[in-house]
Amino acid sequence: DIQLTQSPSTLSASVGDRVTITCRASQTLRGWLAWYQQKPGKAPNLLIYRGSTLETGVPSRFSGSGSGTEFTLTISSLQPDDFATYYCQQYDDYWTFGQGTKVEIK
Amino acid sequence: QVQLQESGPGLVKPSQTLSLTCTVSGGSISSGDNYWSWIRQPPGKGLEYIGYIYYSGNTYSTPSLKSRITIPMDTSKNQFSLKLTSVSAADTAVYFCARAGLHCSNGVCHQAPFDVWGQGTLVTVSS
Repeated sequence: DIQLTQSPSTLSASVGDRVTITCRASQTLRGWLAWYQQKPGKAPNLLIYRGSTLETGVPSRFSGSGSGTEFTLTISSLQPDDFATYYCQQYDDYWTFGQGTKVEIK
Repeated sequence: QVQLQESGPGLVKPSQTLSLTCTVSGGSISSGDNYWSWIRQPPGKGLEYIGYIYYSGNTYSTPSLKSRITIPMDTSKNQFSLKLTSVSAADTAVYFCARAGLHCSNGVCHQAPFDVWGQGTLVTVSS
């Protein structure tokens, strides 16, 4: 099965910062990569699918890119509502999640 | 719009069977190309995919749990369930039900990510 490794595990940033999270896959994905945001006590919320397509209603400060085995999630200008944990997920072969990246206040 | 709601006991004794139900509202569980799934999250940890039942009745379980998992569907109640046998403390987690559909392009369709989630329910395994 496909393993996903996210980096960093924790990220300290300030409002207005540009933030980048990386997700590496154990084998080549055909672009079937999604990103979720999860806040404490809540279910994950789909942000991006197909590597770079924003889900309806997701702010444009979120963007995704990448191909093959390396993908990134970028938040162009971090907002107070963005402090959360982010997960990548492959859905090329069933579904698996990365271990998560917590974005905390610096 | 489809909504999901988990229900079931919050406390299960070791070696017993964990049983949860996900009620689907706002749509039919047997219509459309949907993978009705279970995902869990141990306290303070990441997300683990458990398995699905497809709208047609086909099922899949992640290999590490396959021998202990059953995912049945009750179309008359618009529900699907999770049954996990021989539980231990390692099965303590928040359990989510979720839906994944199909993404189709140029006549080729592929499973999609999870666009609808239940709120999650904490199940603690303890005597």
